[in-house]
Amino acid sequence: AQSVTQLGSHVSVSEGALVLLRCNYSSSVPPYLFWYVQYPNQGLQLLLKYTSAATLVKGINGFEAEFKKSETSFHLTKPSAHMSDAAEYFCAVTTGANNLFFGTGTRLTVIP
Amino acid sequence: KAGVTQTPRYLIKTRGQQVTLSCSPISGHRSVSWYQQTPGQGLQFLFEYFSETQRNKGNFPGRFSGRQFSNSRSEMNVSTLELGDSALYLCASSQGTGETEAFFGQGTRLTVV
Repeated sequence: AQSVTQLGSHVSVSEGALVLLRCNYSSSVPPYLFWYVQYPNQGLQLLLKYTSAATLVKGINGFEAEFKKSETSFHLTKPSAHMSDAAEYFCAVTTGANNLFFGTGTRLTVIP
Repeated sequence: KAGVTQTPRYLIKTRGQQVTLSCSPISGHRSVSWYQQTPGQGLQFLFEYFSETQRNKGNFPGRFSGRQFSNSRSEMNVSTLELGDSALYLCASSQGTGETEAFFGQGTRLTVV
């Protein structure tokens, strides 16, 4: 069985500050991990994905995430927050069955 | 390249009625998955269709069903609607393997009154 836990349902950062959104996963087999972003009344957009090629994954809009097997973590970071980053972020896991298990989401607020 | 199209965007239905939602995947994608998003339960997997066959199924009652046509378009049906079925229903299309990206539509917002 697979699952993800996102620590912090709400995160607030100042514009220009580091963004760190936490995700821990549980999987009995090597997982594929994803981060998605959702803007109000919209679907989900993929930010980045880990598929075992490289542990540090770079995504769109300056986001990146590092897969740490020893910590079962896949935290999302961005060096400098922008107002347009305000949204809800979801971490998701699958083991190849093409069904995603999502975390409960983290709402990011960027303070000007 | 056109994205995933879900219709309608908004629906209001009465308890006990049934509803059909539609999803047109990206051209060439053979897998369509459906998810339910609610404030209380978050994003939950309903089912996945691949080449007209249900390949995976989540933990939802039999009132939730789906199908996929030969052109990969998919429909989801919910019968005997309950208030708790009010949600954003998201469709995702992909090539069909777990490591590939799933592209999501904008969703159908269903309100049951």
